Amino acid sequence: KAGVTQTPRYLIKTRGQQVTLSCSPISGHRSVSWYQQTPGQGLQFLFEYFSETQRNKGNFPGRFSGRQFSNSRSEMNVSTLELGDSALYLCASSFVGPSTDTQYFGPGTRLTVL
Amino acid sequence: DQQVKQNSPSLSVQEGRISILNCDYTNSMFDYFLWYKKYPAEGPTFLISISSIKDKNEDGRFTVFLNKSAKHLSLHIVPSQPGDSAVYFCAASGYAGGTSYGKLTFGQGTILTVHP
Repeated sequence: KAGVTQTPRYLIKTRGQQVTLSCSPISGHRSVSWYQQTPGQGLQFLFEYFSETQRNKGNFPGRFSGRQFSNSRSEMNVSTLELGDSALYLCASSFVGPSTDTQYFGPGTRLTVL
Repeated sequence: DQQVKQNSPSLSVQEGRISILNCDYTNSMFDYFLWYKKYPAEGPTFLISISSIKDKNEDGRFTVFLNKSAKHLSLHIVPSQPGDSAVYFCAASGYAGGTSYGKLTFGQGTILTVHP
């Protein structure tokens, strides 16, 4: 069974631009979570989607948004990029996303904001 | 407020010996705990998990122990191998009226180095 895939793997943008990252979950998984990893803050939860609905959201500004499609694929968007948005963005999928459901991660998208 | 803490930034072990990685948590609502292994610029790889109704779970060379009263868990790797060298993260989740859906809270990670 194929794992979680993320595209693109690397991105370079400039301040003020916007970016869209894509995530395809493991087949059969319906919950997709997004995380940001930075050296200073570690792995931080962004949001979670299930059946095209956002069920949970972390403590990030409204510039960070996401959506999920009927096939469970998910995208996240960051608008008006700031230098501090440079990070590794990870998505993870699980079957239905209750607290005892294991999340499996994709390889991540490395975003660099210049 | 760091709810999951890994107080040792690094650990160095000889090949064949035991590696013990520790993790403490503060939120009593956490009821599921996981360990992930991560290489730079890659996504975390799931290793092993434990539910709060258990105090031990084994999978091959990996064993996780949970002490709920102390809010402490540990990962034992026996025997350690050079290929185990990576960053290890503990993570926790918990049901709290639906607001914890899909959310893992991570520790800061411990860099494990296994020397041949």
